[in-house]
Amino acid sequence: LAKTTQPISMDSYEGQEVNITCSHNNIATNDYITWYQQFPSQGPRFIIQGYKTKVTNEVASLFIPADRKSSTLSLPRVSLSDTAVYYCLVDSNYQLIWGAGTKLIIKP
Amino acid sequence: GAGVSQSPSNKVTEKGKDVELRCDPISGHTALYWYRQSLGQGLEFLIYFQGNSAPDKSGLPSDRFSAERTGGSVSTLTIQRTQQEDSAVYLCASSLAGGGLPDTQYFGPGTRLTVL
Repeated sequence: LAKTTQPISMDSYEGQEVNITCSHNNIATNDYITWYQQFPSQGPRFIIQGYKTKVTNEVASLFIPADRKSSTLSLPRVSLSDTAVYYCLVDSNYQLIWGAGTKLIIKP
Repeated sequence: GAGVSQSPSNKVTEKGKDVELRCDPISGHTALYWYRQSLGQGLEFLIYFQGNSAPDKSGLPSDRFSAERTGGSVSTLTIQRTQQEDSAVYLCASSLAGGGLPDTQYFGPGTRLTVL
């Protein structure tokens, strides 16, 4: 069964690119990786999803190397409003495996 | 359209009392999830409903916890004989498809439960 590991916290500054990596062992070929963002007193909300190589949308990119043992959420040019907790989720063999979350703090 | 709604938003109860938490999923979503989130912690899966299939109750922490989903729509999470360690935010999410398919969960705002 896959297990996910994320850094507990990260700091960065406005305008920088932020990369948050999630490690996931035993991930199967067709398992999807999804990232969610959570603000205080709100439920998580979807950011991006993929299962191989690179996916990009209007807010983020997701990089998944060939060995699929990790995935990286990339947030370009962050702002103060990107301060939140970011969760990776692996959908593995009908099991949903959530990471413990990475608290991202953006400083001015 | 309307998102996932949960009620009440806050619930304060006394130890030993029963509580019911309600979740209204997005119309047409066949999958519904309940999670628990303790202060400053990640998401703890509780239970999952998919269509008419038997629910996956593997995450329920004890037999004091139960949930039902009526008519494939509204769901109620019931906690009997509440304990102080049950204090947490209870989150509900719904999605178009169930596990095994790439899916997006839409979360409600949660119910903050405080057991005195």
